[in-house]
Amino acid sequence: DIQMTQSPSSLSASVGDRVTITCRASQSISSYLNWYQQKPGKAPKLLIYAASSLQSGVPSRFSGSGSGTDFTLTISSLQPEDFATYYCQQSYSTLLFTFGPGTKVDIK
Amino acid sequence: QVQLVQSGAEVKKPGASVKVSCKASGYTFTSYDINWVRQATGQGLEWMGWMNPNSGNTGYAQKFQGRVTMTRNTSISTAYMELSSLRSEDTAVYYCARGEYTTHGYYYMDVWGKGTTVTVSS
Repeated sequence: DIQMTQSPSSLSASVGDRVTITCRASQSISSYLNWYQQKPGKAPKLLIYAASSLQSGVPSRFSGSGSGTDFTLTISSLQPEDFATYYCQQSYSTLLFTFGPGTKVDIK
Repeated sequence: QVQLVQSGAEVKKPGASVKVSCKASGYTFTSYDINWVRQATGQGLEWMGWMNPNSGNTGYAQKFQGRVTMTRNTSISTAYMELSSLRSEDTAVYYCARGEYTTHGYYYMDVWGKGTTVTVSS
């Protein structure tokens, strides 16, 4: 099974900060990596697919990069509505779409 | 608009089964996969399995093999997830999510239901 890890597990940041979250796969997954945002009590929302493709309607301050085993999600200028938990998810291994443990972004 | 509407909260006793429904609207139900993902309180997301509503083909995470069954009724654009032999650890919010492949073979879940809370308690 492909294991996903994320770092940090949580971070505190201020509005306007640049935020970077890292996701690592236990084996190469090419660019089969998605990022989701989840707010408390809500369903996850797709932000980035194929490691770097921005989902329609998602603000351009979100960006993704990486391939192989190491990936990053960057928020260029954190906005109040961005305080949430972020999950990476690999789609390389068909029938076993594992998620990372999540990174909680809260207000400093 | 495109949406997935899930059935209401359930309370079950240990050993029982639960069947959660997910009704699709705003798109052609048989053109996209349906995935099921669960989340225990305060925990992360756990992918349970996948179903192709057109063929009925399914794939389940090994952890749930033998306990989960995913089905559909195409006449009413509804997918179902049934989990049997429930235990307290199955208490969670269960989400259905539409899955799609891009032309280059990348897969993602782009539309999610609001979730169904399943509580397992004696």
